[in-house]
Amino acid sequence: DIHMTQSPTSLSASVGDRVTITCRASQNINRYLNWYQFRPGKAPQLLIYATSYLPNGVPPRFSGSGSGTDFTLTIASLQPEDFATYYCQQSDTNPLTFGQGTRLEI
Amino acid sequence: VQLQESGPGLVKPSETLSLTCSVSGNSLSGFYWSWIRQPPGKGLEWIGYIYSTGSTTYNPSVMSRVTMSLDMSKNQFSLKLSSVTAADTALYYCARVQYDVYSGGSYYIDYWGQGTQVTVSS
Repeated sequence: DIHMTQSPTSLSASVGDRVTITCRASQNINRYLNWYQFRPGKAPQLLIYATSYLPNGVPPRFSGSGSGTDFTLTIASLQPEDFATYYCQQSDTNPLTFGQGTRLEI
Repeated sequence: VQLQESGPGLVKPSETLSLTCSVSGNSLSGFYWSWIRQPPGKGLEWIGYIYSTGSTTYNPSVMSRVTMSLDMSKNQFSLKLSSVTAADTALYYCARVQYDVYSGGSYYIDYWGQGTQVTVSS
């Protein structure tokens, strides 16, 4: 299985801050890397797919970059609703695997 | 598109866990439908997916115990996991997997249910 490692595992920040979360794959996954946001009591939300594509309805303050084994999710200016847990996920090879999550706290 | 999981919240060890995902706002046709779980305090584990033709792909970690199926008439898909143990205690999510040719043939989960807690205990 491809192992996904996120860093940091937790992060404290303030509204307006710029934040970057990193995801590293144990082998080349090309650009098949997705990011999700998990908030308590809500259905998880897709934020970024295929490394850098933004789904309709996701605010442009979210962006993604990378290729191969190293990827980043950047939130340009944190909003109150962004305090959540973020997961990366590779879809290059089955079984699909997720990072361990990054908890973003105020 | 909305997905809603349903099923027993408590299952006895060695029995079969059965969950159903009801899909509204979209037909099952033309998509992959998936189950993902998260044990308490642990990360997310992809269980597998079923295409609208009935073709399945499972995670080897549970392959010997898992069955996924579709009910096109009810717009539902289901998960059965046999011989459960405490290690199968988790929050179970159903989800839709999108295939996008324009992004280089990528797969991603574009819709999730809110999840349903299943506890394995006698």
